Amino acid sequence: NAGVTQTPKFQVLKTGQSMTLQCAQDMNHNSMYWYRQDPGMGLRLIYYSASEGTTDKGEVPNGYNVSRLNKREFSLRLESAAPSQTSVYFCASTTTNTWTGGLDGYTFGSGTRLTVV
Amino acid sequence: KQEVTQIPAALSVPEGENLVLNCSFTDSAIYNLQWFRQDPGKGLTSLLLIQSSQREQTSGRLNASLDKSSGRSTLYIAASQPGDSATYLCASRPSGTYKYIFGTGTRLKVLA
Repeated sequence: NAGVTQTPKFQVLKTGQSMTLQCAQDMNHNSMYWYRQDPGMGLRLIYYSASEGTTDKGEVPNGYNVSRLNKREFSLRLESAAPSQTSVYFCASTTTNTWTGGLDGYTFGSGTRLTVV
Repeated sequence: KQEVTQIPAALSVPEGENLVLNCSFTDSAIYNLQWFRQDPGKGLTSLLLIQSSQREQTSGRLNASLDKSSGRSTLYIAASQPGDSATYLCASRPSGTYKYIFGTGTRLKVLA
C-alpha cells in the first residue's frame, strides 16, 4: 500500500553536479508527473508522461530530462545542477481514462528537498 | 490557458468557526477539480475530488462545491480545529489535457 514513492528525500548538490530523482508508483496508474514547488510560485509542472512510452514538457522543463522507464517508474534528471533548481520536487500519478473524462485525481509522493550550492 | 486563483492567501480563525476557502479558474471546460491539504514540509494529501458532472462532494467536516459556469469552487470546513491548520490547494484538470493546474494555496491557521 505504498502509493507513490520518491527517493531520495533530501539532497545537497554542488553547482554543475548531476543527479537523478526516482519515482515509483504501485497503483497501476498510467500517467505520471514531476512538479517543483517554490515559495510564492505554487506547484509548477516540469514534465509529465501521459502513458508508458511518452513524455511531454510542462511549464518549466529547461535544465531537466525525464525517463519513463516502465509503467511504474518515472525519473527526473538534472544534468548540470544550478542554484535556481533549489526546490522541493514532487512526483504524482493518476489514471487518465479519456473516455470517462479522468475519473481519478492525483496521488502525490512525499517530495524530495533539493539544495544546490 | 487555464489559470487558478485562491483567495485569501492566508486566513487565521478561532477554533470552532465554520469557514470557506475559495478557488476560481478561468476555463470552465474541466474534467474535474481536486482539493489538497499540505502540512509544512510535507507532501500533498488529497481531500476531495469533484467530477465535472457533480455539484459537490463531502467528507466528514469538509464539503467542496463546484460551479463550472462561474468558474468557482469552494471548500467549506465546519467547526474548525487547530489540527486543520495547513495550506489548502485546489487544482483543476482542463478537458482534453492530462495535467492539473494548481492555485497557490490558502494558508489556514486555526487558533486554540
